[in-house]
Order: sequence, then structure tokens, then C-alpha cells
Amino acid sequence: KQEVTQIPAALSVPEGENLVLNCSFTDSAIYNLQWFRQDPGKGLTSLLLIQSSQREQTSGRLNASLDKSSGRSTLYIAASQPGDSATYLCAVNPREDAGNMLTFGGGTRLMVKP
Amino acid sequence: DVKVTQSSRYLVKRTGEKVFLECVQDMDHENMFWYRQDPGLGLRLIYFSYDVKMKEKGDIPEGYSVSREKKERFSLILESASTNQTSMYLCASSFLVRGEQFFGPGTRLTVL
Repeated sequence: KQEVTQIPAALSVPEGENLVLNCSFTDSAIYNLQWFRQDPGKGLTSLLLIQSSQREQTSGRLNASLDKSSGRSTLYIAASQPGDSATYLCAVNPREDAGNMLTFGGGTRLMVKP
Repeated sequence: DVKVTQSSRYLVKRTGEKVFLECVQDMDHENMFWYRQDPGLGLRLIYFSYDVKMKEKGDIPEGYSVSREKKERFSLILESASTNQTSMYLCASSFLVRGEQFFGPGTRLTVL
């Protein structure tokens, strides 16, 4: 059964710092991986989707990489801002022959201090 | 932009009541999903639907049922609400089964 882990569970950084959030998964038979942001008490906002054949995806100050063979993805946030404070979740979709539906990590709670 | 809306942001019900949570998406997506999110347990899939009138059980379907009579609308039903169903309920939709999922704002349900 796929397990998705995000370390650290919480992170506090000063404004302007570049930072990396980590996501690891146990089964490399994935179809794609999605990064989300969740503000307190709100739903999830999709940030980036990486297909299994891709190595990275970029959107603005965000860059997500995928190393399927080692079971890892990272989300790089450049020049962090207080507005980036939120919980960041990664989720893995399995290959069609390898199980069912999205498996989520526990999230990393990010606080960016002014 | 994809928009997924949920009928209520906050809901308080009593044990034994029948509860309906509704979700509507405006992007003609084939697939719709219901999750619940609990501290320490993360997001867990309750049910999903890949077409009108079609449904599949997720990881935790017990105590829930679903209805999809129209493509844009997916309802989650708690037949007899219990206190352990107090949770945040999140609806999502996607064009492909394994495509990018778009979430609604969530419904925080409290069962007393």
C-alpha cells in the first residue's frame, strides 16, 4: 500500500528565504504527483501537477521536482512571503495497474515571518 | 477557472439525523470525489464517481452513501449521523480519473 510522508511537519522561516518542502512515497509506480496548498479551515488549492514522465514543473515562484526512482518530490518556494504561510500537501496518483486513487501526505505547515 | 462549490461551510446536526452534503462543479468534469479530513489522519477518500449514476467506494465508505443524478452535482449522504462523523468534508472534481483535482471550500460538519 502506498504511503506518502512529508517532513518536516512544520517549518518557520523569515520572509525572503528560499525553502524546500519534501515529499516521499514508498511505491514508485505512480501516474502523477500533485502539490496543494491549504489555508486554515479552507479547501485545497492545486499548485502543481507533475506527470510521472516529467522531472519538474514551475509556476511563478514555485518549482516542483520529481524523482520517481527514489520516491521523492520537492517543492521549492523562492523568496518566501508571509502570504505563503499555509499547509502544503502532496498527493500521489497510482498507475492504472497499481491501485486506486490519490494518496495524501500529512502536510507541512509553513509559517513565513515578516 | 474551475469552480467547485459546496452547499454549506458549517453544519451542525444531531445524532441520528439524515444529512445531505452537496457539491457542484462548473467545468463539465467526469469525475467527482468526496473526502473527509481529520487531524492526524489526513485526507481520506469516502466515495468517488466517474460518471452520472456511477460510484465507487473509497477507503472509508461505511456510514455514507452518495448520489450523482447530474454530471455537475455529487451528493454525500449520512444516513444516520453519528458523533464520529464530525469532520471537515471536502469535495473535488477532475476531468480525468487520475487528472488534476480541484477542491471545494469544504464543509465543517459537527454532529452533537
